[in-house]
Amino acid sequence: EPEVTQTPSHQVTQMGQEVILRCVPISNHLYFYWYRQILGQKVEFLVSFYNNEISEKSEIFDDQFSVERPDGSNFTLKIRSTKLEDSAMYFCASRAGLWTYEQYFGPGTRLTVT
Amino acid sequence: QQPVQSPQAVILREGEDAVINCSSSKALYSVHWYRQKHGEAPVFLMILLKGGEQKGHEKISASFNEKKQQSSLYLTASQLSYSGTYFCGTRYNTDKLIFGTGTRLQVFP
Repeated sequence: EPEVTQTPSHQVTQMGQEVILRCVPISNHLYFYWYRQILGQKVEFLVSFYNNEISEKSEIFDDQFSVERPDGSNFTLKIRSTKLEDSAMYFCASRAGLWTYEQYFGPGTRLTVT
Repeated sequence: QQPVQSPQAVILREGEDAVINCSSSKALYSVHWYRQKHGEAPVFLMILLKGGEQKGHEKISASFNEKKQQSSLYLTASQLSYSGTYFCGTRYNTDKLIFGTGTRLQVFP
């Protein structure tokens, strides 16, 4: 069964450093998302992406964040200068098409900023 | 705009039933139910589109009351594998999912 994959599973970085989180959405899916979950809290929407453009972004997704689909398979989230409060689990999700609404989540990347 | 889930936690013995509710103060387009086990990704269970339909998946089913803007997830004859945190993700007039705070379900033998 096709699934969303993410790398790395765990990333430790120092405050102020740049990190890139990688995702491979389900093949042939057209809509891509990043969510994050701070330990013990609910899942929060960061950004949605379609047709090589950001469709929507949340207040959390400020100028320090960017997303990119550099090729036909990868979808990346970059945090330019990490802060302690960026420590969280980051989930990538994808959905198939315009009239299918199910979003499938990847296993997540645990980001720890020290 | 965040949906409200109730109860916050449920403790069951194997074979017992549970109902988890998800309410919104705004008109919903769809409700998405997920189960998340500790340290893992949310796993998609089912989606309810506006229209009051009910869906089922083995012993887990859900309904969507459009008038009340509420969805309920029904877990019948619970199994140990049902343990986890259940989130409802709500979709309004955009593509993003807004998640509730979750309901922690623990099933004991």
